[in-house]
Amino acid sequence: QQQVKQSPQSLIVQKGGISIINCAYENTAFDYFPWYQQFPGKGPALLIAIRPDVSEKKEGRFTISFNKSAKQFSLHIMDSQPGDSATYFCAARASDSWGKLQFGAGTQVVVTP
Amino acid sequence: GAGVSQTPSNKVTEKGKYVELRCDPISGHTALYWYRQSLGQGPEFLIYFQGTGAADDSGLPNDRFFAVRPEGSVSTLKIQRTERGDSAVYLCASSLSGGYTEAFFGQGTRLTVV
Repeated sequence: QQQVKQSPQSLIVQKGGISIINCAYENTAFDYFPWYQQFPGKGPALLIAIRPDVSEKKEGRFTISFNKSAKQFSLHIMDSQPGDSATYFCAARASDSWGKLQFGAGTQVVVTP
Repeated sequence: GAGVSQTPSNKVTEKGKYVELRCDPISGHTALYWYRQSLGQGPEFLIYFQGTGAADDSGLPNDRFFAVRPEGSVSTLKIQRTERGDSAVYLCASSLSGGYTEAFFGQGTRLTVV
């Protein structure tokens, strides 16, 4: 079964708007939460990652918010641009399972001009 | 090379045939990962190598799937007696070491079993 649940499945946002993608997990052994961006025909590329000892991490227009007690984390894309149109995946990894990233099902983001 | 290289980029094979998919990781990366991505889904873990050894192969779906990394660099994913359900994009990634180091993905091999 999917260990990381991601929503929404797709999202349309106007240029300059904010895109918000949410993920939830159950496994309390997860201690690394990356977000990946994937364009058609390409492999996923790491955008930003967080560990559970912080509640927020910002890199440029991308921010991860992390709620350990709720076992939820989200990606905010500020000032969305047409070039941000892609599929975004959240993922999680347990400390006792270094190599195994558990991915969400993905969110297709379309930014309209 | 500059990134993770996977060959071939596309492979069409008949049901029941054997296929090999190759991954050239970034030079110096000791950790190597294989994932499988079906259409509209997130990548699904298959196997993780640290050096030459498989540190975690819990994601291999059955004994038709096997992967090797004999010299700690190039890896080959081998699929015997292919089935139509094996059709997917097979992704390889590498990282400098395990742990929290960033994993860089290749563009994948699209396998179609007809």
